[in-house]
Amino acid sequence: GESVGLHLPTLSVQEGDNSIINCAYSNSASDYFIWYKQESGKGPQFIIDIRSNMDKRQGQRVTVLLNKTVKHLSLQIAATQPGDSAVYFCAEIPGGGATNKLIFGTGTLLAVQP
Amino acid sequence: GAVVSQHPSRVICKSGTSVKIECRSLDFQATTMFWYRQFPKQSLMLMATSNEGSKATYEQGVEKDKFLINHASLTLSTLTVTSAHPEDSSFYICSARTSEADNQPQHFGDGTRLSIL
Repeated sequence: GESVGLHLPTLSVQEGDNSIINCAYSNSASDYFIWYKQESGKGPQFIIDIRSNMDKRQGQRVTVLLNKTVKHLSLQIAATQPGDSAVYFCAEIPGGGATNKLIFGTGTLLAVQP
Repeated sequence: GAVVSQHPSRVICKSGTSVKIECRSLDFQATTMFWYRQFPKQSLMLMATSNEGSKATYEQGVEKDKFLINHASLTLSTLTVTSAHPEDSSFYICSARTSEADNQPQHFGDGTRLSIL
């Protein structure tokens, strides 16, 4: 079936470095994508979203890039801080958004080393 | 804004007990809420979509008689795990959207850790 997957299950970075978390999606009809951050024992927290008519969107210290040609999504975190340590999920809403059901990727654990 | 609250945050109970989990949107109304299940070190799996004033829509493989969903108001959805067994132990998370428009993010509660002995 349709799925959203991640290339790297664990990413370890030094504090202050930039982090890049990648995600591959399989549904070419998906038109809305979201990145969530989940800290241990908590629910996912919205970070940033992007619609398929865009290829880049920036927030505070975060940037999401969308490459529809290769069905690839990435989250860039600038000047990574210890508080950024968490599991990051990409999620998509496939095809038209009519149901607004999210399909989550497998997640990447970001570990920030002091 | 967009705060979703779940209660309780943790439940430990004996096998055969029924457990009710509440999901509330605190500062907005939500026609639609979603219930997810998450096993350790795994992703979130959608169980069902809760619709205010109507029956919930369950995902394939989720037993509707096992996981009862009630969405009686625009700010409250409940999930009842009936006759819970150890295999039902998991992290249950709800979400809601602030808008019914397409392509809007879901906002999540902090989850309920259910442990069945």
